[in-house]
Amino acid sequence: GAGVSQSPRYKVAKRGQDVALRCDPISGHVSLFWYQQALGQGPEFLTYFQNEAQLDKSGLPSDRFFAERPEGSVSTLKIQRTQQEDSAVYLCASSLGTSGGALYEQYFGPGTRLTVT
Amino acid sequence: RKEVEQDPGPFNVPEGATVAFNCTYSNSASQSFFWYRQDCRKEPKLLMSVYSSGNEDGRFTAQLNRASQYISLLIRDSKLSDSATYLCVVGAGTPLVFGKGTRLSVIA
Repeated sequence: GAGVSQSPRYKVAKRGQDVALRCDPISGHVSLFWYQQALGQGPEFLTYFQNEAQLDKSGLPSDRFFAERPEGSVSTLKIQRTQQEDSAVYLCASSLGTSGGALYEQYFGPGTRLTVT
Repeated sequence: RKEVEQDPGPFNVPEGATVAFNCTYSNSASQSFFWYRQDCRKEPKLLMSVYSSGNEDGRFTAQLNRASQYISLLIRDSKLSDSATYLCVVGAGTPLVFGKGTRLSVIA
């Protein structure tokens, strides 16, 4: 079946602009995760949804970052007043659930590469 | 101390060689362990979950040592196509914590 999809794949924003990044998880996957990956680093957790509920947003770096998943499927990560330090790849992942074992395996989308100029 | 630590490498090995990576984690409550593979400018892809009893998938073997809080990945008979960054991933519930990765280059 279809994997996780993300759009846009590339985004160039001028400093101060708002951006919205979309994630379409694997059908039937309850959990959805957003990560930020800087060059040469591993993915860093941003936030997590179980269905439409945002259960953990401890990784969001500032109040300029906001995520939603209103109907429990597609999710949007919004960054307001972008700064140069926001330049990174934003990865979305989904999993069947969070009970451990195979339910917990996360599958990633191709990412959105954001460049703030 | 970082939650998940890996040797960044690079490990440069000839085709056919056996190579092993270790990863240490700091949270003793961790319950979920994975190895992901990430190719340059691509997303991470799940390579294998790591179970307490250890597990093998073809040329890949993963081991977990809870007492010493490390996991390992062994790749036998390395192929050129194994060249990638290998990410160690550990979780005590949600969220998962990713290491920075170990870079492997398999050379002809």
